[in-house]
Amino acid sequence: DAGVIQSPRHEVTEMGQEVTLRCKPISGHNSLFWYRQTMMRGLELLIYFNNNVPIDDSGMPEDRFSAKMPNASFSTLKIQPSEPRDSAVYFCASQRYTGELFFGEGSRLTVL
Amino acid sequence: RKEVEQDPGPFNVPEGATVAFNCTYSNSASQSFFWYRQDCRKEPKLLMSVYSSGNEDGRFTAQLNRASQYISLLIRDSKLSDSATYLCVVRGGGADGLTFGKGTHLIIQP
Repeated sequence: DAGVIQSPRHEVTEMGQEVTLRCKPISGHNSLFWYRQTMMRGLELLIYFNNNVPIDDSGMPEDRFSAKMPNASFSTLKIQPSEPRDSAVYFCASQRYTGELFFGEGSRLTVL
Repeated sequence: RKEVEQDPGPFNVPEGATVAFNCTYSNSASQSFFWYRQDCRKEPKLLMSVYSSGNEDGRFTAQLNRASQYISLLIRDSKLSDSATYLCVVRGGGADGLTFGKGTHLIIQP
């Protein structure tokens, strides 16, 4: 079975550009999470969805960040405009009810 | 106080030794506890859940102390392949999302 699929794996962009990260959760999983990982702050929960509905977005840093889940098999995390401090690895993870959390391989973002 | 705290290490341990590390959590209402393992430049993966009665999985033993609000991970007969970052993870207190500690970096030396 396919795991959580994220794209792009790597993105290098310039400050001010829009960045869109994509995630396809594992089929049958009803919760989806977006995390950001940096050396300084570790893994931070940005937002999570339950049955495609955003439940908690208190971790979203600011209005430049937005996330959507239009259906059970797709989610996006958008940063507009991007800033150098947004450089991090962004992980998407999915879960079936309160079971094991499965992570994608991550999207490594560098904002110059 | 941070929600989930871990000693970042690194812990340098000779192969075959036993190593243990703890993690403390601040929310007494937390309900579920886990250890995840993350290899360098890879995604985190579940190592084991932590049950109130303590649990063992091969060379790995996890324990929970609710009174003192900490969980522990013990690795016996350590292998080179155990080198990784171990993330303490807590769920509960009204939030479905998992809160991760920053991780403890373990290096097993030959």
